[in-house]
Amino acid sequence: QKEVEQNSGPLSVPEGAIASLNCTYSDRGSQSFFWYRQYSGKSPELIMSIYSNGDKEDGRFTAQLNKASQYVSLLIRDSQPSDSATYLCAVNEAAGNKLTFGGGTRVLVKP
Amino acid sequence: GAVVSQHPSWVICKSGTSVKIECRSLDFQATTMFWYRQFPKQSLMLMATSNEGSKATYEQGVEKDKFLINHASLTLSTLTVTSAHPEDSSFYICSARDGRLAGNEQFFGPGTRLTVL
Repeated sequence: QKEVEQNSGPLSVPEGAIASLNCTYSDRGSQSFFWYRQYSGKSPELIMSIYSNGDKEDGRFTAQLNKASQYVSLLIRDSQPSDSATYLCAVNEAAGNKLTFGGGTRVLVKP
Repeated sequence: GAVVSQHPSWVICKSGTSVKIECRSLDFQATTMFWYRQFPKQSLMLMATSNEGSKATYEQGVEKDKFLINHASLTLSTLTVTSAHPEDSSFYICSARDGRLAGNEQFFGPGTRLTVL
């Protein structure tokens, strides 16, 4: 069974600091990886996608992918209280177009 | 771009009744739509994959006769919860893939909160 693992948290970071979120996956053939942000009571919002090994930066967010280690991470720089949410790692199955979601990491940014 | 809407945003119904939820892609044609269910403090659980013009593919353990999915056009998919019971109360969220994009990003609708009394 394909799995995506995340630390459930909460990850507590002071305002202005860097939040580091990790995700591991079991399907070695996966090629597409996504980070979604979900505020309480709301649906997920896509914030980053990454397909190649290395880093991808978009504003205050940086996604890092290491396919050999089956590991994808998300860094949030200059964390703001508005970043407080649950962050979901999603991995596209190698066969087909379904996404497998991790359980999510809850992030709390304290002023 | 890539906006997905859902209707209704919330619904309360009596046990034994049926509820229909609509999912629309507003500014793109969605070759594939997905239906998820999320219980409190849990992650998303995929219920089914819906392709335009064909039968939906249900995940293991999801009753296809209870959760009817219709994807009649490239911009509309519907989920009907038949003979709803209190245990069906949940947050139902649809997502859609934009066929123009090379990746497999899914864009989510705002969700429908179903409460069955």
